[in-house]
Amino acid sequence: KNQVEQSPQSLIILEGKNCTLQCNYTVSPFSNLRWYKQDTGRGPVSLTIMTFSENTKSNGRYTATLDADTKQSSLHITASQLSDSASYICVVSARGAGNNRKLIWGLGTSLAVNP
Amino acid sequence: KAGVTQTPRYLIKTRGQQVTLSCSPISGHRSVSWYQQTPGQGLQFLFEYFSETQRNKGNFPGRFSGRQFSNSRSEMNVSTLELGDSALYLCASSAFVTGPETQYFGPGTRLLVL
Repeated sequence: KNQVEQSPQSLIILEGKNCTLQCNYTVSPFSNLRWYKQDTGRGPVSLTIMTFSENTKSNGRYTATLDADTKQSSLHITASQLSDSASYICVVSARGAGNNRKLIWGLGTSLAVNP
Repeated sequence: KAGVTQTPRYLIKTRGQQVTLSCSPISGHRSVSWYQQTPGQGLQFLFEYFSETQRNKGNFPGRFSGRQFSNSRSEMNVSTLELGDSALYLCASSAFVTGPETQYFGPGTRLLVL
């Protein structure tokens, strides 16, 4: 069964600190993995997309890694800011016939950055 | 370039009623997907439309339906509303390319069923 599991479920850190969020997946056949940031009351915003051949991708203070062998991904946030308080969602795309693909969404990690 | 827009932003309905939500994708995007988001379930995929055809469908009852127009605008309809349909409904658009595509989400429509 295709699944995406994220940990921790929630996290509280102090402003300026680093943190790492985890995503484990059992999705086949794998197409790509995405991380989204969702502020409260808003739609998700894409942070990174990684294909099978990519190990790491950065977007400012956000760095995502992908280990396709162990089917794990992480999102590292450096020098956190108050505006990083949000839900971070891992999404894995499963390849299908033709151009068809299916997205499997994790439940997200709720991050709170306190001053 | 304008982002994805959804109307209305907030809606209150009573059980048994029906509701229609609207989504205008980013100009040039031909794929529109709909999601339901609730606190305990996360984002649940409803359906995806591409060039006026439903390309993918999630595991929702037939009360949930959608359509896409020739200008790529999309609507979703929920008939015979239930209390459990209270949720944030998100629309996402993407440009159809052969590689991995980024979905751009609208702000959502928050539906409350009383």
